[in-house]
Amino acid sequence: EPEVTQTPSHQVTQMGQEVILRCVPISNHLYFYWYRQILGQKVEFLVSFYNNEISEKSEIFDDQFSVERPDGSNFTLKIRSTKLEDSAMYFCASSERRDRPNEKLFFGSGTQLSVL
Amino acid sequence: RKEVEQDPGPFNVPEGATVAFNCTYSNSASQSFFWYRQDCRKEPKLLMSVYSSGNEDGRFTAQLNRASQYISLLIRDSKLSDSATYLCVVNGAGGTSYGKLTFGQGTILTVHP
Repeated sequence: EPEVTQTPSHQVTQMGQEVILRCVPISNHLYFYWYRQILGQKVEFLVSFYNNEISEKSEIFDDQFSVERPDGSNFTLKIRSTKLEDSAMYFCASSERRDRPNEKLFFGSGTQLSVL
Repeated sequence: RKEVEQDPGPFNVPEGATVAFNCTYSNSASQSFFWYRQDCRKEPKLLMSVYSSGNEDGRFTAQLNRASQYISLLIRDSKLSDSATYLCVVNGAGGTSYGKLTFGQGTILTVHP
């Protein structure tokens, strides 16, 4: 089965530093997403992205967050000035389409971000 | 009311047992429903979609009651490998929101020998 690839698997940073989390979605997919999961809590939607622009974002996705598709293969999540509460597992996902109700999202294995 | 609410669990069952999980959702406009499983510190993986008529995949049976906004998952003949957290997931209310999944807190299942 095709895979969504995320790097790095673990990222440790100091509070206030910028981090970039990287994802390579499945090659023929057009829709991209970031989700996060704080330890012991539920998985939460952050943002969806299509055609080089944000389609939808949650309340969590404030001005400190940004997403980009810098080339034809990568999809990145940037946190400009990390806070302690940004510590979480961040999952990238992609889907071929989004207009079908049961469209399957493929999740990457996640990047564990630890802010010290 | 939480958007997606699940049995708190945890469930500890012996191999071979039948176990059922329940879930309710608050948005009556939700279009699609899923059960995912998540192993410790791993990504969520789709277990099965849930259809109005109910559906079965091997030992797993999912049911949906739109009127009650209730979803269930039944696992028969539990295996050790079924030990995981089971996530009830609801999709967006149509249009561009189909990729916006809302996850429940999850129910931990441990199957012991």
